[in-house]
Amino acid sequence: GQQVMQIPQYQHVQEGEDFTTYCNSSTTLSNIQWYKQRPGGHPVFLIQLVKSGEVKKQKRLTFQFGEAKKNSSLHITATQTTDVGTYFCAVMNTGFQKLVFGTGTRLLVSP
Amino acid sequence: ETGVTQSPTHLIKTRGQQVTLRCSSQSGHNTVSWYQQALGQGPQFIFQYYREEENGRGNFPPRFSGLQFPNYSSELNVNALELDDSALYLCASSLEPLESYEQYFGPGTRLTVT
Repeated sequence: GQQVMQIPQYQHVQEGEDFTTYCNSSTTLSNIQWYKQRPGGHPVFLIQLVKSGEVKKQKRLTFQFGEAKKNSSLHITATQTTDVGTYFCAVMNTGFQKLVFGTGTRLLVSP
Repeated sequence: ETGVTQSPTHLIKTRGQQVTLRCSSQSGHNTVSWYQQALGQGPQFIFQYYREEENGRGNFPPRFSGLQFPNYSSELNVNALELDDSALYLCASSLEPLESYEQYFGPGTRLTVT
């Protein structure tokens, strides 16, 4: 089945530092979604990328979809303690809207 | 808030028992998907229901079953509970089972099997 790998598995930063998580697939993706899950919470949809080379920004968050549509990244500029959580990429399996989640990157931000 | 609710919030069951988890989708959402999230892992797709019919299934045994009702509510039933069934169970609803439609996750039910 389809698999997406995320790196790093875990990152601990000081508040104000930047953070990036990467999502990689061995196959070409039709789309990729990003979710944030706070500790003890549920996944919250952040964004969906569809086009090759697409870049989207949400305040301090920048999302990129690779030119070959096999990888994606989420970059947070100047992290804040509210950014703490696990960030998942997810790929939509065409046919019946099955989401295949990546392994996740857990972000810890120290004040 | 996504407008998707789940009950109960937490549940403790004994190995071998049966459990029913409930989800109430956003009004008008014809599609509901269920996911299992073990501790420290990403959610795993269990199955999806569209207009009250199963529309796709992940790698879960038949003892995981579901129902979807006309009032946008749904159930996940698990028979013969095993210790490994301990996890957060999430439902997600959307208008249609198509890529272009966002899935809205509920807060989840945390199931502990002892």
